[in-house]
Amino acid sequence: DTGVSQNPRHKITKRGQNVTFRCDPISEHNRLYWYRQTLGQGPEFLTYFQNEAQLEKSRLLSDRFSAERPKGSFSTLEIQRTEQGDSAMYLCASSLAGGQYQPQHFGDGTRLSIL
Amino acid sequence: GENVEQHPSTLSVQEGDSAVIKCTYSDSASNYFPWYKQELGKGPQLIIDIRSNVGEKKDQRIAVTLNKTAKHFSLHITETQPEDSAVYFCAASILTGGGNKLTFGTGTQLKVEL
Repeated sequence: DTGVSQNPRHKITKRGQNVTFRCDPISEHNRLYWYRQTLGQGPEFLTYFQNEAQLEKSRLLSDRFSAERPKGSFSTLEIQRTEQGDSAMYLCASSLAGGQYQPQHFGDGTRLSIL
Repeated sequence: GENVEQHPSTLSVQEGDSAVIKCTYSDSASNYFPWYKQELGKGPQLIIDIRSNVGEKKDQRIAVTLNKTAKHFSLHITETQPEDSAVYFCAASILTGGGNKLTFGTGTQLKVEL
């Protein structure tokens, strides 16, 4: 069981730069979720995919954010023109679809720091 | 949308004592309530979950209770050990055929002292 893998683990960048994170879900998990977690808070939902289709996006996901899952396997989250407020831990989770009871398993996240 | 409140924000217990963390939710349609443990530098790890058709669930030293009428649920850890020290998050979700996004509480920092 390789678990959910996220890369990079840490990213430091200057304000205004673009960044991209990658998530590799547990194999055969066809649902993939992105959450954001700021210091001292619980994770907040951003978006989710079932296979390659992006089915829901939170209002937190401004137009500077874009997520893709081109072949229904790994996913990328891109932030354009980064701002100080984007500093957070970006978490990816995956689950099976089907039925009503499919727990979400999280990766260890990518910590983004904006200088 | 759903709102989940969690208390206390910090909890310190002696090794061997019990710990209780409480959460309330606002959306009566929520029917799935997982608990996650997050250690420093790690992602949340699922430790136990409960569906709304069940009032209580137990797994070794960990138990969760749910009161649908009052819209609150609790995590109970018995015989605490130092390795139980971590941040614990409750969450709520509406299980449907679509995506089951989770709404999390703000977390409880549990410290188990020797």
